[in-house]
Order: sequence, then structure tokens, then C-alpha cells
Amino acid sequence: AQSVTQLDSQVPVFEEAPVELRCNYSSSVSVYLFWYVQYPNQGLQLLLKYLSGSTLVESINGFEAEFNKSQTSFHLRKPSVHISDTAEYFCAVSAGNQFYFGTGTSLTVIP
Amino acid sequence: GAVVSQHPSRVICKSGTSVKIECRSLDFQATTMFWYRQFPKKSLMLMATSNEGSKATYEQGVEKDKFLINHASLTLSTLTVTSAHPEDSSFYICSASRTSGGPGDRPDTQYFGPGTRLTVL
Repeated sequence: AQSVTQLDSQVPVFEEAPVELRCNYSSSVSVYLFWYVQYPNQGLQLLLKYLSGSTLVESINGFEAEFNKSQTSFHLRKPSVHISDTAEYFCAVSAGNQFYFGTGTSLTVIP
Repeated sequence: GAVVSQHPSRVICKSGTSVKIECRSLDFQATTMFWYRQFPKKSLMLMATSNEGSKATYEQGVEKDKFLINHASLTLSTLTVTSAHPEDSSFYICSASRTSGGPGDRPDTQYFGPGTRLTVL
């Protein structure tokens, strides 16, 4: 069975500080990995994804995530956060024909 | 590309009435569409998966007679909440996926609609 674990439900961080949102998964088959961001009262937006190739993937707004197969992780990082990064972040795994979401991490950027 | 729309964005209805929510993929053909429900400060709960031209597959615990899903075309899926009750009030989100086009395809990315806020009085 597949599962996704986001270890931190809430992450407060000061503006311009670095942040890491953790995501671990378990799967017996090969997976695709995703991070989605949800702003208040909005749907989910794809932030970045790993399908194959380079294990380090980047988004256009400065986030990056690295696929670590040995540690079964796909942690999301940003070296310097902005107020506008305050949102809910969901890690997701696609395995077979199923999609599995983590429970989300609420990132709050403090001025 | 890969834009998904939902209509309406917000709906308020009386208890006992039915509400239809539309999900459209605007610039691609969606082989599979998904319907989720999201409770406040919670993750998404998958309700059902629908493939164009076939019956939806419902997750355990989701009443198929209450949440009617129709996927009539490759760009449109509808969710109808029948005889709505206050406990059905929630944020409903759809997503659509397209296959990569190669052998052994599977949905590689889900693209989400903006969500529909349903309030049942």
C-alpha cells in the first residue's frame, strides 16, 4: 500500500528565513511525486513535480524539492520565504493509477 | 496549459434541494477526473474517480446515490449533490489528468479546479 506522510502540520517561519517542509512516502512500486500549494479559499496549484531524470526539481517562485529514493523523501525547500508564501502545502504521490495526498503543512510567514 | 475550471465557485442552497457542480478541462482532454471534498483545515478526501463514458468509481464510505457523478465528455464532469443537507456543506474540488501518451500510461499529474464552496442552510 502507498502512503504519504507530512511530518509537520504547521510551520511558522520569519520572512526571509529558509524553510523546509518534509514529505516521506512509502510505496512498493515506482512513483511520481508532487507538491501542491493551496492559498486560502482557493483550489490547489501545482508547485513542482518529479517524474524522472534529475532528482532536484525547481519551481518558478524559488521553491525546490529533491527526490531521495533511499530515504523515500521529497522535501520542499526555499532559501528565503516571503509573506506571500503563506499557504497550505500538500505533498502527493502517484503510484499505479492512484493519487495519494499528505495531510498538508500550513506554512505561516511572520513579518 | 492544463487549466481546469469549476462552476459555480460558491453556492448556497436550502436543505433538501439538489446542487450541480461542473468541472471542465479548458485546454486539454481529461481521460480521468477526480472529485475531492475538503473540510476546514484538513487534507483532501477523494470521493470518486470518473473516466469518460463509464461509471464513476466511488471511494469507500461515499454514497453514490447522493453524490451523482457524470463524465459525459473528455472535458466535462459534473457532481450533483442530491437532497443536500447541512452536513454536506464543504469545499468541493475537482481535478483532471491526462496520460503521458506512452505505453503503460498512468495519470502523471492532476490539475485542480479552483473549488466550489457549498453551503446548505
